Parts: sequence; C-alpha cells; structure tokens
Amino acid sequence: ETGVTQSPTHLIKTRGQQVTLRCSSQSGHNTVSWYQQALGQGPQFIFQYYREEENGRGNFPPRFSGLQFPNYSSELNVNALELDDSALYLCASSLGVGDVTDTQYFGPGTRLTVL
Amino acid sequence: AQSVAQPEDQVNVAEGNPLTVKCTYSVSGNPYLFWYVQYPNRGLQFLLKYITGDNLVKGSYGFEAEFNKSQTSFHLKKPSALVSDSALYFCAVRASNRLAFGKGNQVVVIP
Repeated sequence: ETGVTQSPTHLIKTRGQQVTLRCSSQSGHNTVSWYQQALGQGPQFIFQYYREEENGRGNFPPRFSGLQFPNYSSELNVNALELDDSALYLCASSLGVGDVTDTQYFGPGTRLTVL
Repeated sequence: AQSVAQPEDQVNVAEGNPLTVKCTYSVSGNPYLFWYVQYPNRGLQFLLKYITGDNLVKGSYGFEAEFNKSQTSFHLKKPSALVSDSALYFCAVRASNRLAFGKGNQVVVIP
C-alpha cells in the first residue's frame, strides 16, 4: 500500500448535484494530483496542487475545482454533475514539483456514479 | 505533446511463460517513462520507471522494462508469468507536472 487514502470508496449522485472527494497524501509528500479514469480508459489528468496552490490543469471545465490544505490533504469538487462524470477518481501524491523524475503514488480511488 | 501508445488491448500468456506488454512513446526532449499496474476496483500501483542510464530497468514483483531509444519503445517484461499477474497495465510518460497514460493492456495469465 502507498499510504495515500481516499474517501469515500463509492458514491452515487444524480445529475446536477455537487460532490466532494477527499484525499490524504503519503507522509512527506506535498504535492497532490487528481486524475479521472473513465471505464475502459487510461487516467486523465485533472489538476495538481502544490503547497495549497493549483499547479497545472488538464482539459476539464471550471466546474471541476480543488483545494489543498496545510497538511497537504486535498479535495476535488465537482459541481453540476453530468452523466459523463461517472468514473473512478484517482488521487496521487508525490514529493514535490520541479522534479520530472518524481514518482506519483496513487490511492485506491473513489468510484462516482451519476444517475 | 508527450504521449504513449499501447498497441494491444489484451495479452494472453500461459502461466510460467515470458510476459511482454508493449509501449511506444512520443516525446520532445528526454523521456521519463513509467509502468503502473491496476487490479480490479483498485488504484494504480507503481512498478518501475526509466529516467536515464541503464536501458534495462528492474522493478517490483519481478518485472523489468527495456528502454529502446531507436525504436521509441519501453516494453514491460517478466520472465515467468504468474496467475496473480492478471491485471490491467498502464504505460505513462511524464509531461511537465503530469502523467500522460496509455489506454492500458489487459493481461490474462492462463493456468
């Protein structure tokens, strides 16, 4: 196990609702990245947080937003849920930005189903 | 843009036989390449990475990967497959601060 934890494990929401997913990074890691993995696809980068600031964003609309807290844990918020938001959401922690050789360690994911 | 391709959807191999999962990459600059494995309903587990140096990289659970610059490939290998190696394998390339993943390869090890 990596030491990266995510909650909840599973979540069912309806279209238009809002959801918050949580991630606790591995001890000593100050960077958290979020990915969306649709069924049968590879993970797609949503955004990254480093020391409480957003540090890069993928091709996702503004209704996907995030936070990082002083203890380096993080939240992913999705507003106005759509059916296509149904996916496995993965959080990954790493030691820090600026090192392209750094390894990202993933949590078990949160399975979001939008009905 | 940095990208990887995994040309096969599924790889079937008999238990005890060598396992190879293929990955090719396209990058500008130095390639930083990773392999991850995903078991059903689980997150991704890091196996190994290539940064620089020796073209043969050794990783977790007996896996290794061969970096080939002329063929722009980074194939994952295991000399003797186990039934427990049945899983989804992802190749990824570092693109700035993010990982760009391939679509994944389902590996089925047949007893």
